[in-house]
Amino acid sequence: GAGVSQSPSNKVTEKGKDVELRCDPISGHTALYWYRQSLGQGLEFLIYFQGNSAPDKSGLPSDRFSAERTGGSVSTLTIQRTQQEDSAVYLCASSFNQGMGTQYFGPGTRLTVL
Amino acid sequence: AQSVTQLDSQVPVFEEAPVELRCNYSSSVSVYLFWYVQYPNQGLQLLLKYLSGSTLVKGINGFEAEFNKSQTSFHLRKPSVHISDTAEYFCAVGRSNDYKLSFGAGTTVTVRA
Repeated sequence: GAGVSQSPSNKVTEKGKDVELRCDPISGHTALYWYRQSLGQGLEFLIYFQGNSAPDKSGLPSDRFSAERTGGSVSTLTIQRTQQEDSAVYLCASSFNQGMGTQYFGPGTRLTVL
Repeated sequence: AQSVTQLDSQVPVFEEAPVELRCNYSSSVSVYLFWYVQYPNQGLQLLLKYLSGSTLVKGINGFEAEFNKSQTSFHLRKPSVHISDTAEYFCAVGRSNDYKLSFGAGTTVTVRA
């Protein structure tokens, strides 16, 4: 079946602009995660959605970052007033359930802020 | 809190030679352990995972890893690598009843003929 998809695959923007990154999880997966992968570093947890529960936003680095998940499926990560330090690969993952259900990752969106 | 340390950032290896990628973690509670692989320009793919049971875990593509609780390690091994194993490998740790994964910084494996 189809895996996790993300769009766009690459995004170049100017400092100060807003960007939206999209994630389509695997059908039937109730849990959705966003991670950030910066150059030379591991993955950094950003936010987690599970069903209709309130999301865990504890990993968001600043209030310029927000995310929503509509209808328990597609998720959008929004970065307002982008800064150069926001440049990274943003990865989305989904899993069948919470806890230690295997997380399946999308190909990522490479964001470059000029 | 927990942290994950991948001791080698770069591992060059010749084709058909063995490889071992080291991963150590710190945690005060029971953990679940994962190795993911990221091929060039692709997303992360699960290689193997340890949740419970046998401490020797076999994964895809001939990889295996051993959970050592006393040494808090989960090293990844392959007895004979191929050119196609060139990729970045990430160790990840999750705690019981916690959905967040903590990732190591990654190990880049470059396989040469």
